[in-house]
Amino acid sequence: GAGVSQSPSNKVTEKGKDVELRCDPISGHTALYWYRQSLGQGLEFLIYFQGNSAPDKSGLPSDRFSAERTGGSVSTLTIQRTQQEDSAVYLCASSLLAGTGNTGELFFGEGSRLTVL
Amino acid sequence: GENVEQHPSTLSVQEGDSAVIKCTYSDSASNYFPWYKQELGKRPQLIIDIRSNVGEKKDQRIAVTLNKTAKHFSLHITETQPEDSAVYFCAASSPSNYQLIWGAGTKLIIKP
Repeated sequence: GAGVSQSPSNKVTEKGKDVELRCDPISGHTALYWYRQSLGQGLEFLIYFQGNSAPDKSGLPSDRFSAERTGGSVSTLTIQRTQQEDSAVYLCASSLLAGTGNTGELFFGEGSRLTVL
Repeated sequence: GENVEQHPSTLSVQEGDSAVIKCTYSDSASNYFPWYKQELGKRPQLIIDIRSNVGEKKDQRIAVTLNKTAKHFSLHITETQPEDSAVYFCAASSPSNYQLIWGAGTKLIIKP
């Protein structure tokens, strides 16, 4: 693929519903990140996947948030029982190189804009 | 852990003038310092980066300088143009940490 692909681009949901956001990274990229960006704000780290290693979930704001990455490629971020404060743009990024002494360029997707009514 | 501070939060400059954005970091082991540009409604994209074995790097109108002793690095944009209007994010990472630690961002406004 040409770049990181995210879907849906926009999602409007009612408070209390569950949502799933999908990220398809660049082929061959071993590292995958999820960030959250509220309007006019910076990048809030959520979770990181690297190869077959256990993911770093230290940025997940609550146990309503979870993510998985199947087969080292596509990742899904799930938000259960959505709240209004979950409204934000969820950005996925992938990187070819990550790890000791070798941080690589992050390629971001266009993001999924989530609105919780 | 690593902490990155970025200043100013908003910068307004006249078209054609130069713009400078500064970041400081706390982890002396940090060795990689990228800058990302995010235009309104778009994704962040890498515009320039520097590793700790060099003090300055240039790419046309943009340059990044690094002062390891003082633990700060700066983005310089010369001859600013309207298309430079965006939010710029700095970041830092160390060999022991795959994570990029991000600054809070600087909104650059180019006045015509």
